[in-house]
Order: sequence, then structure tokens, then C-alpha cells
Amino acid sequence: QVQLQESGPGLVKPSETLSLTCTVSGGSVTIGSYHWNWIRQPPGKALEWIACLSYSGSTNFNPSLKSRVTISVGASENQFSLKLSSVTAADTAVYYCARARGFPVFAFEIWGQGTMVTASS
Amino acid sequence: QTVVTQEPSFSVSPGGTVTLTCGLSSGSVSTSHYPSWYRQTPGQAPRTLIYSTNSRSSGVPDRLSGSILGNKAALTITGAQADDESDYYCVLWMGSGVWVFGGGTKLTVL
Repeated sequence: QVQLQESGPGLVKPSETLSLTCTVSGGSVTIGSYHWNWIRQPPGKALEWIACLSYSGSTNFNPSLKSRVTISVGASENQFSLKLSSVTAADTAVYYCARARGFPVFAFEIWGQGTMVTASS
Repeated sequence: QTVVTQEPSFSVSPGGTVTLTCGLSSGSVSTSHYPSWYRQTPGQAPRTLIYSTNSRSSGVPDRLSGSILGNKAALTITGAQADDESDYYCVLWMGSGVWVFGGGTKLTVL
């Protein structure tokens, strides 16, 4: 049973870089035809897709965040990471990692529990 | 910028039927957008309900169904129960590796 778990600082200062890691239990981000995603949800607001790292190593981004986002394989093959630069209060949110299937599904099938990140001085 | 539209809120009586929709600010939703639906209760991660328009995720009862209705994707809940009271999100695959979430629908069962 594959499980995902987010980790990282819960508080980030404005203008600094938010860094999160998603650890995949029971799987690898480089094996299998899966796509590894970051999704966030500001308090009281809707979910927002941030970025995707495919098993092949290709990446895709939300156009509105692309200039500030990096997604990559983590320190080990069962981790992937998110970096969001120049954060502001608007980046305060619960951040989820999620595994998606590609064709012919194109849906998020496994989610982490989420981690709250607050951008504040 | 693509905007995916959902009803902000909806109400259904216990035992009743409700259809939530998912549209595009410009254009029509089709099966090529691979619409998927998720349920989220407060403080919890989303749970996948429907993928590829009308396929149920494991463990999802058949009183929940997905479809294309006109130019929108739809999630229909029949025999509404108290624990259906949640936020519901649709997601569309826009191609080129990009997904877009709808704004969510808050469903009340009363």
C-alpha cells in the first residue's frame, strides 16, 4: 500500500523560499507510470494544482506559479520535493503531495495528509 | 487563464438526488478533459471519487456517478446521506501536463 507524507518547515518568512519534501512509502518516484504532484489549499479556499514531476523526469507547472516553482526528485528515489521562492502571505496554505495516473486516467489517486505552511515574519 | 467553474453551494434533502456540475469559462468540457471528482471534509485530505468522467474509485458506492451533461461534467449523488455533506472538487486535465481544479461546491444535506 503506497502512502505519501509531506514534511518541512511550518513557518517561512516572506521573500524566502518554501521547501517541502514528500516521502513515498512503498514506492519509488522513478519507477512505474505515475506522476507526482504538489497541490495546495489556502485556508477556507479551493484546491490549487502547483506542479507535476513525471516518472520520466519531465516537469509541468501551473502557469501562475511557474516562475517561482521547482519540483524535483528528492534525496532518495522515494522522495520528491517542492521549492517555492519569494513567498508572500498569499502562499500560506496546506500543501499536499499526490500521486496521479496518466493516460487513460489523468486523476489524483493517492494523497498525503497535507502540511500547513504559514508565510509570516 | 483557464477557469473551471462549479456551483459554490448546493443543498439536498436526505434521500434526495443532486447533480453537481463542472464547466469551463470558455468552451465545453468533454471526456478528453478526463474529469475527476474529489470529496473533502474539514481538516482532511481530499478523497478520489470519480476519474475519467465516470469510473468510480475503489470503495465508492454506485449511488455516486459521473457523466457529461451538455457542455459540463457532472457528479450525481442519489439517495443522499448525512455523510455526503462535504466539499466537492472537480479537476480537468488541460493537456500538456496541466491540471486545473474547480472552485469547489459545498454540499449541505438537510
